Amino acid sequence: QKEVEQNSGPLSVPEGAIASLNCTYSDRGSQSFFWYRQYSGKSPELIMFIYSNGDKEDGRFTAQLNKASQYVSLLIRDSQPSDSATYLCAVGGSGAGSYQLTFGKGTKLSVIP
Amino acid sequence: DAGVIQSPRHEVTEMGQEVTLRCKPISGHNSLFWYRQTMMRGLELLIYFNNNVPIDDSGMPEDRFSAKMPNASFSTLKIQPSEPRDSAVYFCASSLSGGRDIQYFGAGTRLSVL
Repeated sequence: QKEVEQNSGPLSVPEGAIASLNCTYSDRGSQSFFWYRQYSGKSPELIMFIYSNGDKEDGRFTAQLNKASQYVSLLIRDSQPSDSATYLCAVGGSGAGSYQLTFGKGTKLSVIP
Repeated sequence: DAGVIQSPRHEVTEMGQEVTLRCKPISGHNSLFWYRQTMMRGLELLIYFNNNVPIDDSGMPEDRFSAKMPNASFSTLKIQPSEPRDSAVYFCASSLSGGRDIQYFGAGTRLSVL
C-alpha cells in the first residue's frame, strides 16, 4: 500500500513569513512529485511539480526533493493571506504505474495578516 | 481555454437511486481520471482511461460503480444503486498523455445521498 504522509496542520504563519510544508512517501520507485493547492470547496490546482533531486523555484514557491530520504517539501516565501488553503502532496507511481497519483491528506495553511 | 468540465456541480439524491456524473476533458488530452474525495480517506483514484480505454479500475469500490468513456470528449461515472456512504466530492481530471504528465482537475461534483 503506497502511502503519502503530511502533517494535517493547521500551520499558521504571519504574513510575509516563509511557510514550509513537508511530505514523505513510501514508494521508493516514485519518479514524479506534485504540490496542489485546494481552497475550501474548490478543486485541486497545481502549484509545482518536480522530478529530480534538488530544488525547483517558481516565483514565491520552491519545491525540494530528496529521493534518498523519500521526502518532498514546498516553501512559500513572502506568504500572503491568499495563500491560506490546504496543500496536497501527490506522488506518482513507479514504472508503468507512473500515472497513478497517491495523495496525502493535505496540510492546512493559515497566513495571518 | 476551457478546463475540465464536470456536471452537475451538486447532486442530492435518495438512497437506491441511480446517479450519473459527467466529465468533458481538456481538448487534446488523451488521459482521463475519476477521483473521489472524502474527509476520512482524502483523494482517491477510482479509474483511469487512456485513449478512451479503461486501463486501471482497481480503485472502483464495488460493482455499484461503473464508468464509461464513449469518445475522447466525454466520460460518465455511474452509481447504481446509490448509498449514503457514497456521499463525497467526485473529481474528474485529465492529462496530456498519462504517465508523469500533470493532471488538471475539474470543479467537482458534490454528491449527497440521503
